[in-house]
Amino acid sequence: DAGITQSPRHKVTETGTPVTLRCHQTENHRYMYWYRQDPGHGLRLIHYSYGVKDTDKGEVSDGYSVSRSKTEDFLLTLESATSSQTSVYFCAISEQGKQETQYFGPGTRLLVL
Amino acid sequence: AQTVTQSQPEMSVQEAETVTLSCTYDTSESNYYLFWYKQPPSRQMILVIRQEAYKQQNATENRFSVNFQKAAKSFSLKISDSQLGDTAMYFCAFIYNQGGKLIFGQGTELSVKP
Repeated sequence: DAGITQSPRHKVTETGTPVTLRCHQTENHRYMYWYRQDPGHGLRLIHYSYGVKDTDKGEVSDGYSVSRSKTEDFLLTLESATSSQTSVYFCAISEQGKQETQYFGPGTRLLVL
Repeated sequence: AQTVTQSQPEMSVQEAETVTLSCTYDTSESNYYLFWYKQPPSRQMILVIRQEAYKQQNATENRFSVNFQKAAKSFSLKISDSQLGDTAMYFCAFIYNQGGKLIFGQGTELSVKP
């Protein structure tokens, strides 16, 4: 258990509304990640963070922004949700000294109508 | 481009038997890491096993072991004494830079039958 929680766990929203997903970790890990999981695609990286206020884009970052104002929280925002953003979103962390190994949170299922 | 391919979308095995899941990858990097993750119906992504490319010895974790063939870019997962709780989707994944992105295959859905 890497001490990762995600909130909300399930959300239904409408097209065009903003949505923020939260990832919270309790063990002061430097690296945090947001992935999305879609059928036939495995998991794909959206954004990641290597420290407070240090973030970078992944391979599917269009339509998403992130913020990390404190070590324990990494927020993913959909500025104007679209149906193509219906997905399961996973947060992950990696530990200092073992940055190659990522541990995942429980996931958030998002449905955009 | 780095890619990971799992050629078996679905597999099944009888309880207590052994099953092998296949994974191949493509990279020009010489130092990297490979992983198998398990995703049961709960959707939680659980790390099963980790292999460092510079280590020739195959990783093992209890009933789980890998056959890592670096020249062939192959990384298969063997599950011995299969249990009903092994029923899950299994993902092979690859990373070449620490703190960067994991690259996942499409997954193999494993069913363990009583």
